[in-house]
Amino acid sequence: QQQVKQSPQSLIVQKGGISIINCAYENTAFDYFPWYQQFPGKGPALLIAIRPDVSEKKEGRFTISFNKSAKQFSLHIMDSQPGDSATYFCAASGGLSGGYQKVTFGTGTKLQVIP
Amino acid sequence: DARVTQTPRHKVTEMGQEVTMRCQPILGHNTVFWYRQTMMQGLELLAYFRNRAPLDDSGMPKDRFSAEMPDATLATLKIQPSEPRDSAVYFCASGLSSGISTDTQYFGPGTRLTVL
Repeated sequence: QQQVKQSPQSLIVQKGGISIINCAYENTAFDYFPWYQQFPGKGPALLIAIRPDVSEKKEGRFTISFNKSAKQFSLHIMDSQPGDSATYFCAASGGLSGGYQKVTFGTGTKLQVIP
Repeated sequence: DARVTQTPRHKVTEMGQEVTMRCQPILGHNTVFWYRQTMMQGLELLAYFRNRAPLDDSGMPKDRFSAEMPDATLATLKIQPSEPRDSAVYFCASGLSSGISTDTQYFGPGTRLTVL
């Protein structure tokens, strides 16, 4: 129930195209859904996050769409650029596990944006 | 520019040797996480500290791994004895928690460990 399933594992998109990464969860206690971006040789960094009281959050070219009933959320990168090439992790947290809200990460999507 | 620092950045050691990784969380942060990242398993939580107290180390192999926070500016992860299967990138992350809620985690650059 703590799993967050992420797809696809890898993604190749043309420059200017839309990149879409999907995640699904089972635990209905989750109430915080961040996305992290990781460049090679670096640690993950928070990109954008959403709480389930809204269905969409947009920050620049990055948008999270959230479907509470389907227990799914996705990251859309509009006008994808070669500089967006990185590994993206979805995550979820909420409920209590050992007295704190544990963050569960998806398995990651390696995005390559080609010119 | 506040950031989490980790040392060493790279470590190559032989099986059986002790490995100690260090992390300096962002000043003022009260939570510290240790993660291990591999291609096969992705990001795995090893340990979690809040206000220097260990709250969760269920993801850590207890027989060989240990994590401590001697003070608020230093977290350590020790492996003794190390094994080839411990080869991975180990990340430390810190954050500011006002209670049970999970705030943004700020990751360090990682320690790439290779055990021969």
